[in-house]
Amino acid sequence: DVKVTQSSRYLVKRTGEKVFLECVQDMDHENMFWYRQDPGLGLRLIYFSYDVKMKEKGDIPEGYSVSREKKERFSLILESASTNQTSMYLCASSPPLLSGYTFGSGTRLTVV
Amino acid sequence: GNSVTQMEGPVTLSEEAFLTINCTYTATGYPSLFWYVQYPGEGLQLLLKATKADDKGSNKGFEATYRKETTSFHLEKGSVQVSDSAVYFCALSDRSGGYNKLIFGAGTRLAVHP
Repeated sequence: DVKVTQSSRYLVKRTGEKVFLECVQDMDHENMFWYRQDPGLGLRLIYFSYDVKMKEKGDIPEGYSVSREKKERFSLILESASTNQTSMYLCASSPPLLSGYTFGSGTRLTVV
Repeated sequence: GNSVTQMEGPVTLSEEAFLTINCTYTATGYPSLFWYVQYPGEGLQLLLKATKADDKGSNKGFEATYRKETTSFHLEKGSVQVSDSAVYFCALSDRSGGYNKLIFGAGTRLAVHP
């Protein structure tokens, strides 16, 4: 069964910490995406990647960075966590022609 | 830019009722349209999709028709079950900037009661 795996379901971090969210896919997909999900706002794109070592900013990249050193792994980094980054984070992958995304189960991050 | 607008929820129905969740979009060109479903505590799953005007996507009793004249992709089901309780997201494919990605609506929560 093909899968997108996010390393943690729940995380609690302190303000100012550097936070790493990991995402791994086993479908050999070129494209990978990070979204955050907030009530009433739907899903907003943070960053995406179309190839190893390649990244593009989405709609809300401020306060985040990403890393894609291997095709199967796409990491989201919060350089200095803040309370307004408390959210559900969803990773997704897709083949190049975008027949649809496969999503991970999400990481609910709380910054205190 | 491209965008998706969904009806606000929550939508509360009794079991076996008819469901409609409205979705309209703004886009240049000819996007593909999608419905995703998110069950409690899970990520999103693709429910159905349509790639061109007048296409009908269907899955698990749900249907949606790509209406270019009204820029709509409304989700329907003839008889809902308690197990359909979830959040439903409408999305379109966006190719601006030369990259393929999805733009999502805000989501509509559906609660079905026995």
